[in-house]
Amino acid sequence: AQSVAQPEDQVNVAEGNPLTVKCTYSVSGNPYLFWYVQYPNRGLQFLLKYITGDNLVKGSYGFEAEFNKSQTSFHLKKPSALVSDSALYFCAVRVMNTGFQKLVFGTGTRLLVSP
Amino acid sequence: DGGITQSPKYLFRKEGQNVTLSCEQNLNHDAMYWYRQDPGQGLRLIYYSQIVNDFQKGDIAEGYSVSREKKESFPLTVTSAQKNPTAFYLCASSIVPTSGRREQYFGPGTRLTVT
Repeated sequence: AQSVAQPEDQVNVAEGNPLTVKCTYSVSGNPYLFWYVQYPNRGLQFLLKYITGDNLVKGSYGFEAEFNKSQTSFHLKKPSALVSDSALYFCAVRVMNTGFQKLVFGTGTRLLVSP
Repeated sequence: DGGITQSPKYLFRKEGQNVTLSCEQNLNHDAMYWYRQDPGQGLRLIYYSQIVNDFQKGDIAEGYSVSREKKESFPLTVTSAQKNPTAFYLCASSIVPTSGRREQYFGPGTRLTVT
């Protein structure tokens, strides 16, 4: 089945330290990959996407993600975490569904940045 | 949360009652989607619509119904047939529905509690 996996339910990091939120995918064909962030009781906000081209994708709020085809991964990274980055992060992948392209989401990773 | 509004933010209903969740967008997007979010399960697609007067079932459509009479509006009805309706419901939209390159924009969500 075409899917994404987020192996960590929660990631803890101290403010100022680099952070990584992991995502691996399983799709047929070329993957279109997305990262979203959700703050409590809010909708999802788009952070960045990989469609084609450079494997390092830069997005909103200083986040970036590295596409690794051999490892089928698309990990989200930030060089220096902020307390305000604490939120729920979702990885998603495009899959084909009878002619309609939909997104399949991972189960989410809660990021907790401590002061 | 872009140009997508969902109302109400919180909704309480008695078991056995149908309830309709509103979703309106002013982004001029062709495609609209409804997702259900439960803790630890990520987002699951309920219904989607690529164009006015057309919609398709997603992965968990049982117990739900939708309509798409206007481009801007995509209301979701949670019927009494839905066995576990308590959840956080998210509406989203995107441009160019047949392309997987475009990100989806999400509304702020409606938290439905059925007792």
